[in-house]
Amino acid sequence: AQSVAQPEDQVNVAEGNPLTVKCTYSVSGNPYLFWYVQYPNRGLQFLLKYITGDNLVKGSYGFEAEFNKSQTSFHLKKPSALVSDSALYFCAVRDKRNNDMRFGAGTRLTVKP
Amino acid sequence: ETGVTQTPRHLVMGMTNKKSLKCEQHLGHNAMYWYKQSAKKPLELMFVYNFKEQTENNSVPSRFSPECPNSSHLFLHLHTLQPEDSALYLCASSQDRSLAGASSYNEQFFGPGTRLTVL
Repeated sequence: AQSVAQPEDQVNVAEGNPLTVKCTYSVSGNPYLFWYVQYPNRGLQFLLKYITGDNLVKGSYGFEAEFNKSQTSFHLKKPSALVSDSALYFCAVRDKRNNDMRFGAGTRLTVKP
Repeated sequence: ETGVTQTPRHLVMGMTNKKSLKCEQHLGHNAMYWYKQSAKKPLELMFVYNFKEQTENNSVPSRFSPECPNSSHLFLHLHTLQPEDSALYLCASSQDRSLAGASSYNEQFFGPGTRLTVL
């Protein structure tokens, strides 16, 4: 089955520290992987995606993610967290059998001043 | 966020009411989606429309009825809902569903959602 897993419900970091939000995937073949962010009372916003090529993908708001095929991971990272980064983050994979987007359960990131 | 709009933003309804959720996309996309978002659960894909044709119905109860009159508008008609249907209902669109069915790597654009409460 094509799926993603986000092992952490909650991640807490201090402002200015690096942050990592974890995602692992389970797909057959080469995956199309995505990260979205959801702020309170808003819909999901696209951050970045991995399709092919360079394993380090850069996205919006200073975020980046590293595709690791051997570990089947696609962790989201940022070198220096901001309080305004506090939100719900979703990892997703494109199911190539039917083109559906499969989302993880989400990780709530809290950045404290 | 103005690319995909949803109305109403909040809806409270009784179990015997009939209501409709509306979604409109201004991005020229050819595919539209309804998702249900419940607390601490993955987003649940409910319906998919590709070129105005429904291509998926993921075992959604018949009390939810979608309608896609054109490629820019999507409705979700609600009838005799249950309290467990209370959730955030998200609409999304994308430009990626080809008639040939090839897999696409394009991202989806989401509306702000409708917060539904069923009493």
